[in-house]
Amino acid sequence: DSGVTQTPKHLITATGQRVTLRCSPRSGDLSVYWYQQSLDQGLQFLIQYYNGEERAKGNILERFSAQQFPDLHSELNLSSLELGDSALYFCASSKSGGGLNTGELFFGEGSRLTVL
Amino acid sequence: AQSVAQPEDQVNVAEGNPLTVKCTYSVSGNPYLFWYVQYPNRGLQFLLKYITGDNLVKGSYGFEAEFNKSQTSFHLKKPSALVSDSASYFCAVRDYILTGGGNKLTFGTGTQLKVEL
Repeated sequence: DSGVTQTPKHLITATGQRVTLRCSPRSGDLSVYWYQQSLDQGLQFLIQYYNGEERAKGNILERFSAQQFPDLHSELNLSSLELGDSALYFCASSKSGGGLNTGELFFGEGSRLTVL
Repeated sequence: AQSVAQPEDQVNVAEGNPLTVKCTYSVSGNPYLFWYVQYPNRGLQFLLKYITGDNLVKGSYGFEAEFNKSQTSFHLKKPSALVSDSASYFCAVRDYILTGGGNKLTFGTGTQLKVEL
């Protein structure tokens, strides 16, 4: 158990809909990362938050947004869903979030999104 | 941007034999390299990392990795494979984001390891 909690574990929805994925980082970790894993794209970095502020942005679509709340949990919002958004979405956390962070990331079990 | 490459989609080994999962890197500056393992329908688990120091890094579950600067490689090794080692293995490199001061791990495409009796 990594200590990172993600909900829901599985989600099935229709095209055009909106979903919210939730992540609680390990106790004491200030940084949260979101990744998307799919068969054709592999593991793609989406976005990083550190203590409530966005710190790094990757291949995140404009239809997707995220935030980190004062209690440090994070939510990833996916809207106007398309079939191609079906994937496993991972949250990870680490203690620090800056450029000198040499520590590993701790991953949750993921949220599997299926868009029909 | 930093990147890593895993040239093999799949590696098959017999239980008890040594295993190697290959990774090469492309970075500017000193690389911070990582190996993660993913079991089916699970999240990624940290195995080991190289930041600086000894070129041979020891990690979890008997795995080790050899950092080779001249060959820009960071291969994952284990002297004696177990059936329970069957999983997907991902090499990663830390990448800094100058705007915003953030960072991320950039992962390779993964190598599926199959250990057979």
